[in-house]
Amino acid sequence: DTGVSQDPRHKITKRGQNVTFRCDPISEHNRLYWYRQTLGQGPEFLTYFQNEAQLEKSRLLSDRFSAERPKGSFSTLEIQRTEQGDSAMYLCASSLAQTIEAFFGQGTRLTVV
Amino acid sequence: AQSVAQPEDQVNVAEGNPLTVKCTYSVSGNPYLFWYVQYPNRGLQFLLKYITGDNLVKGSYGFEAEFNKSQTSFHLKKPSALVSDSALYFCAVRDYGGSQGNLIFGKGTKLSVKP
Repeated sequence: DTGVSQDPRHKITKRGQNVTFRCDPISEHNRLYWYRQTLGQGPEFLTYFQNEAQLEKSRLLSDRFSAERPKGSFSTLEIQRTEQGDSAMYLCASSLAQTIEAFFGQGTRLTVV
Repeated sequence: AQSVAQPEDQVNVAEGNPLTVKCTYSVSGNPYLFWYVQYPNRGLQFLLKYITGDNLVKGSYGFEAEFNKSQTSFHLKKPSALVSDSALYFCAVRDYGGSQGNLIFGKGTKLSVKP
């Protein structure tokens, strides 16, 4: 499968713990995006990378959230000191710079208990 | 500010009948418009996009969408619905002159196609 892959698919964590998610984009895509989706809502933009540079961050991305894309390939999204409100589906997407449709992974569902 | 509205939470259609899923948008400049579909426990799948050119764009699985600038709408259509089309549909917009990352999604419309 050469699509966007995310790991893990599901994560249950206790409030206050740190979690890290990984996204592997489509190999030739240099843009990578993170979105969050809660039940009954559309995806909300969190942040985006072009190669290794993080070019934009949403106001939704509090200081407990950090994302990296160290070599311009895979990306990680870390949430520190998780809260119940962080429970959501975290979606990763990638695209080519010269096209603008993004292709999404299957997401990581986070449950904070 | 950019925004997308999908006025219907759910659309019910009988198999074989035409379907329409509505979307209206608001951007400051020219819009890039998209439709995505989401099946249960799956990520979003790209269906089609409008950038410029013909107002009627064709996409995957027999879907098409009509861009109407005066009504700021981008409704998704299919001439003959299939049961397998049942899913959650999202309209999204990006401002042509705006951020290349900030794709704004609507809340989604659940399409239910009954045999």
